[in-house]
Amino acid sequence: AQSVAQPEDQVNVAEGNPLTVKCTYSVSGNPYLFWYVQYPNRGLQFLLKYITGDNLVKGSYGFEAEFNKSQTSFHLKKPSALVSDSALYFCAVRDSHFQKLVFGTGTRLLVSP
Amino acid sequence: DGGITQSPKYLFRKEGQNVTLSCEQNLNHDAMYWYRQDPGQGLRLIYYSQIVNDFQKGDIAEGYSVSREKKESFPLTVTSAQKNPTAFYLCASSYPPSSGRATDTQYFGPGTRLTVL
Repeated sequence: AQSVAQPEDQVNVAEGNPLTVKCTYSVSGNPYLFWYVQYPNRGLQFLLKYITGDNLVKGSYGFEAEFNKSQTSFHLKKPSALVSDSALYFCAVRDSHFQKLVFGTGTRLLVSP
Repeated sequence: DGGITQSPKYLFRKEGQNVTLSCEQNLNHDAMYWYRQDPGQGLRLIYYSQIVNDFQKGDIAEGYSVSREKKESFPLTVTSAQKNPTAFYLCASSYPPSSGRATDTQYFGPGTRLTVL
């Protein structure tokens, strides 16, 4: 069975500092990994995905994520956080053998001015 | 949220009442999905459809029903059998993962918040 874990319910960071939101996964085949962001009372917005290739994936709004196969992780990063980055972030995984996308429980990012 | 619309934005249901949530997409996607979001639980899959006139149960299908008569539309009915329907409901669409396309990202609508009175 495929699963994804986001170990932190909330991450606090000061504006201008780098941010990291953690995600680890478990799949039986090759992983397809996704990051989404959700603002209050809105749908999820796609940020980036890893399918194959380079381990560092660049996405929307200056976000990037690093795929680490040995640590089964796909952490979301941004070099310099903005207050407007404050939102709920979801990691998701799909196994190449399965068709369903499995989501983590989400991490709330709070960027203080 | 572009390309996928959900209506209404807010919906109130009385006990014992069935309600239908609308989801429409103009992205020419074959696959559509319904998720339920509760605080602290992430998103859970209710139903999904990879092609017109076909759909499969997700992880929490009990008390819900769907139809897929048109490619663009995937309405969700919350029946009176769903004991705790208060939640935020999200619809998504994508090319089917089985299509082999690299572009199998799911794109989400703005959501419907359902409250039981």
